[in-house]
Amino acid sequence: DSGVTQTPKHLITATGQRVTLRCSPRSGDLSVYWYQQSLDQGLQFLIQYYNGEERAKGNILERFSAQQFPDLHSELNLSSLELGDSALYFCASSQLAGTGVSHTDTQYFGPGTRLTVL
Amino acid sequence: TQLLEQSPQFLSIQEGENLTVYCNSSSVFSSLQWYRQEPGEGPVLLVTVVTGGEVKKLKRLTFQFGDARKDSSLHITAAQPGDTGLYLCAGRGYQKVTFGTGTKLQVIP
Repeated sequence: DSGVTQTPKHLITATGQRVTLRCSPRSGDLSVYWYQQSLDQGLQFLIQYYNGEERAKGNILERFSAQQFPDLHSELNLSSLELGDSALYFCASSQLAGTGVSHTDTQYFGPGTRLTVL
Repeated sequence: TQLLEQSPQFLSIQEGENLTVYCNSSSVFSSLQWYRQEPGEGPVLLVTVVTGGEVKKLKRLTFQFGDARKDSSLHITAAQPGDTGLYLCAGRGYQKVTFGTGTKLQVIP
């Protein structure tokens, strides 16, 4: 158990819909990262938040957005869903206190949310 | 775009055999990490290598970072069924993390 929790575990929805994925980081961790893992694209970094502020951006679509709340939990919002958005979405957290993506910090991954778009 | 190619993509071996997984890129990374992911779970960090040429050992696993910090390898000695999983390398640079394409390892008892 990494200490990172994600809900829901599974989500099935239709094209065009909007969903929200939730992540609670490990106690004491200030950074939250979101990743998408699909069979053909592998694990893709989407976005990072540190202490409520966006810190780094990866391959995140404009239809996707995220935020980190004062209690440090984070939500990833996916809208106008397409079939290709079906994937596993992982959240990770770290203690990271510096800027950018520190090359030595340890990220702890949650169990993921499996999204299926029909 | 930074790409990390891993080879082989799939590996099925007998318990007790040795194996090496490679992670290659044309880009330079400030550090490289290796993760193992089991079905239904998130990746778990195994090791971070930072210096070109660095070698780290974790029990039966040996990790090496290339001299030019563009590639890395993971060697497993006397593989065991518990080593089964998806192995991912991840190159880290400024404000960016790039994961490799993954190597799915199956160790047959």
